[in-house]
Amino acid sequence: QVQLQESGPGLVKPAQTLSLTCTVSGGSFSSGSYFLSWIRQSAGKGPEWIGHIYSSGTTNYNPSLKSRVTISADTSMSQLSLRLNSVTAADTAVYYCATYFDILSYFDYWGQGVLVTVSS
Amino acid sequence: DIQMTQSPPSLSASVGDRVTITCRASQSIDTYLNWYQQKPGKAPKLLIHAASSRLSGVPSRFSGGGSGTGFTLAISSLQPEDFATYYCQQSYIPPFTFGQGTHLEIK
Repeated sequence: QVQLQESGPGLVKPAQTLSLTCTVSGGSFSSGSYFLSWIRQSAGKGPEWIGHIYSSGTTNYNPSLKSRVTISADTSMSQLSLRLNSVTAADTAVYYCATYFDILSYFDYWGQGVLVTVSS
Repeated sequence: DIQMTQSPPSLSASVGDRVTITCRASQSIDTYLNWYQQKPGKAPKLLIHAASSRLSGVPSRFSGGGSGTGFTLAISSLQPEDFATYYCQQSYIPPFTFGQGTHLEIK
């Protein structure tokens, strides 16, 4: 079955760059109909969509983060990356990768999430 | 951005009760509305998409309705495993946005 696994540092210093990777297995997402997404959730709040990438390489970002975020993926869409620059304490959150099924418009598969804390 | 507002923020209920959660969008989103269930330490899990379509395997006690700007999620007879936080999410237009959640707890 489809599995997503996030990985990366759990602690990032203010003003530095947060970098995370998501490994996708058990499915084929390189042939269209799916976006690979990053979503984050701060403690006690609703999830926040960060952005996504399509198999063509097209990306779409949340305007609130667009100036600081880069999402990329390998050509097989089995490795997804997130870079968030100039982080502050407000970027402390659990970061999830998820698949977005374009035809029916929902997030169906999610990783377990990784907690990233921004602190000196 | 489309703002999603859920009510109530929290809800206390007993096993066997029927509960209803409301979600309102700041503009019309047709039926591009999904509902997720989240348990502590876990990722959100899709329950209902397109406002009223239950995902395969989701118990029939969960039902969704609405269109435009007003939506509901109803649970007809609460089971112990249903106590969790529920989120609505609009997929009408990016940025995709979620509600702030409704925490359903045991009375």
